Amino acid sequence: DAGVTQSPTHLIKTRGQQVTLRCSPKSGHDTVSWYQQALGQGPQFIFQYYEEEERQRGNFPDRFSGHQFPNYSSELNVNALLLGDSALYLCASSARGRTIEKLFFGSGTQLSVL
Amino acid sequence: RKEVEQDPGPFNVPEGATVAFNCTYSNSASQSFFWYRQDCRKEPKLLMSVYSSGNEDGRFTAQLNRASQYISLLIRDSKLSDSATYLCVVNRTGGSYIPTFGRGTSLIVHP
Repeated sequence: DAGVTQSPTHLIKTRGQQVTLRCSPKSGHDTVSWYQQALGQGPQFIFQYYEEEERQRGNFPDRFSGHQFPNYSSELNVNALLLGDSALYLCASSARGRTIEKLFFGSGTQLSVL
Repeated sequence: RKEVEQDPGPFNVPEGATVAFNCTYSNSASQSFFWYRQDCRKEPKLLMSVYSSGNEDGRFTAQLNRASQYISLLIRDSKLSDSATYLCVVNRTGGSYIPTFGRGTSLIVHP
């Protein structure tokens, strides 16, 4: 049973560029959430997708956008990258309607913006 | 005031020691509470849920105090493998759920 998978594992970009990160949820899960974790901080909630729609959003600018596909996988897009966007981006999946609060995380994408 | 606050530590303890962490939350509408463990450069993993009546899982005990708005995690008989960052997570409902993580408390267990 595959867990949450994310790609790529590492990425280096320059300021102003755009990036797309990908996530496949754990088998049986239909809800995907994205988090940004800066060094020494806890994960910060970006947004959550369910039934291909953004359901909840944290305090992140519109440069951060996402998408969920019919197979429940998801993408996180960040436009006009800033140095401060350098962080570990974590995807978490859960099963809505069941134990929705319990999150299973992927191993993350480490994004470095130069 | 941050919505979820934790002492970042590090807590440096010898093997076999008992150590406790607290986490305070500011939103009284918070509905559910969890402790996650995160090893260095790895993803967070659920350690345990926190129930109003308190709950225990082996050497780990979690407590919730709604009146004072804090949760706690007690680790007995610490092992070297317990060295990690412990993240407190508080969920509030707003149609769905919005999980808020604390910054984590670092635990170092030494021989």
